[in-house]
Amino acid sequence: QSALTQPASVSGSPGQSITISCTGTSSDVGGYNYVSWYQQHPGKAPKLMIYDVSNRPSGVSNRFSGSKSGNTASLTISGLQAEDEADYYCSSYTSSRTWVFGGGTKLTVL
Amino acid sequence: EVQLVQSGAEVKKPGESLKISCKGSGYSFTSYWIGWVRQMPGKGLEWMGIIYPGDSDTRYSPSFQGQVTISADKSISTAYLQWSSLKAPDTAVYYCARHLVVGAVAAPFDYWGQGTLVTVSS
Repeated sequence: QSALTQPASVSGSPGQSITISCTGTSSDVGGYNYVSWYQQHPGKAPKLMIYDVSNRPSGVSNRFSGSKSGNTASLTISGLQAEDEADYYCSSYTSSRTWVFGGGTKLTVL
Repeated sequence: EVQLVQSGAEVKKPGESLKISCKGSGYSFTSYWIGWVRQMPGKGLEWMGIIYPGDSDTRYSPSFQGQVTISADKSISTAYLQWSSLKAPDTAVYYCARHLVVGAVAAPFDYWGQGTLVTVSS
């Protein structure tokens, strides 16, 4: 069970949109619509931003959206704000009835 | 209000045993899967395993199977993560977290504990 593959870093300017990819296999991302995204600020616990590929929990800004195509899921953040600067992790349910995280992506708001 | 409150930071020597805890409140503890996530210094999140306190059904990541034990005491709404013999690479922050959906193993973590720093050093 390998970690899902995410880019190590992405960056964007305030107001722009960015997309973070998360690539797995047919045994995880591609096989289930159970992909989640978490935001983590330094020294803080992670926060759920997207679940079941594209659903937002109550209280999460609609600037955050998720999608999936084949074995790759994506998180898009539109209208970037300084407070979005954080680490982002994807996670997927797997055929082993467990979960796996991605390696994480550091988002820098320029 | 749902809360997960974890036990405090620990400093241990290699070879020692340890059990850290996570107390849930504000919800039906026996109805939601609860799990553990490791974050080594400066590194990413790693899914370790989960337990369903209602019947103690437990799932482990292959990476952690046999290395740690996850348990729960539903009488006091507390989940545990334990090691029988710690190693220096076990140094990390460990988070507990609850699943979003009642009874569903295929659900993400919605509520998280504050994290417990475990330091293993001789």
